[in-house]
Amino acid sequence: TQLLEQSPQFLSIQEGENLTVYCNSSSVFSSLQWYRQEPGEGPVLLVTVVTGGEVKKLKRLTFQFGDARKDSSLHITAAQPGDTGLYLCAGGERDDKIIFGKGTRLHILP
Amino acid sequence: NAGVTQTPKFQVLKTGQSMTLQCAQDMNHEYMSWYRQDPGMGLRLIHYSVGAGITDQGEVPNGYNVSRSTTEDFPLRLLSAAPSQTSVYFCASSFRHSGLILGEQFFGPGTRLTVL
Repeated sequence: TQLLEQSPQFLSIQEGENLTVYCNSSSVFSSLQWYRQEPGEGPVLLVTVVTGGEVKKLKRLTFQFGDARKDSSLHITAAQPGDTGLYLCAGGERDDKIIFGKGTRLHILP
Repeated sequence: NAGVTQTPKFQVLKTGQSMTLQCAQDMNHEYMSWYRQDPGMGLRLIHYSVGAGITDQGEVPNGYNVSRSTTEDFPLRLLSAAPSQTSVYFCASSFRHSGLILGEQFFGPGTRLTVL
């Protein structure tokens, strides 16, 4: 079973600061996804990255897929309290299993 | 569209009791899955299905059964509840992978289960 390791596990920063969170694996994934989950709700998809080296932007969020397709990062510029939540990365295995990392819990202080 | 619905939202069981968590989707998705979420553990895959009549085990299948008689429904059965099964359970659905590119998973609101 492939594993996805996310770091840091927790992050608390002031509004307006920049941050980067990571999703790493020793295995190659054909695609990776990032989800955000707010308290009491199910995760919601932010992005799917497919090509090694790919960069996708979603407003203040920038997602990158590593060249070797083993890792991904999420960078948030000028964090806002609305960015608070649990960020999860997910990857697919050959037998249709979709596995998740343990997540990064982000708290933006106003 | 209702999306993915789960019932019940909350449930308390005693050790040894059995129950079924219901999940339904109205998006004609082939792929459905069940996850459990525990503090600090992210989402762990219990069982999944790539279509009606087809199910397979995920990372933590012990103590759980599933069936997929229709495209819309994917119930999760706890055979004999144990305190270790206290968790939040999420059902999700998506179109099946296209060339190993993950489809967007849509999640239900979750069922919060406590086993005493």
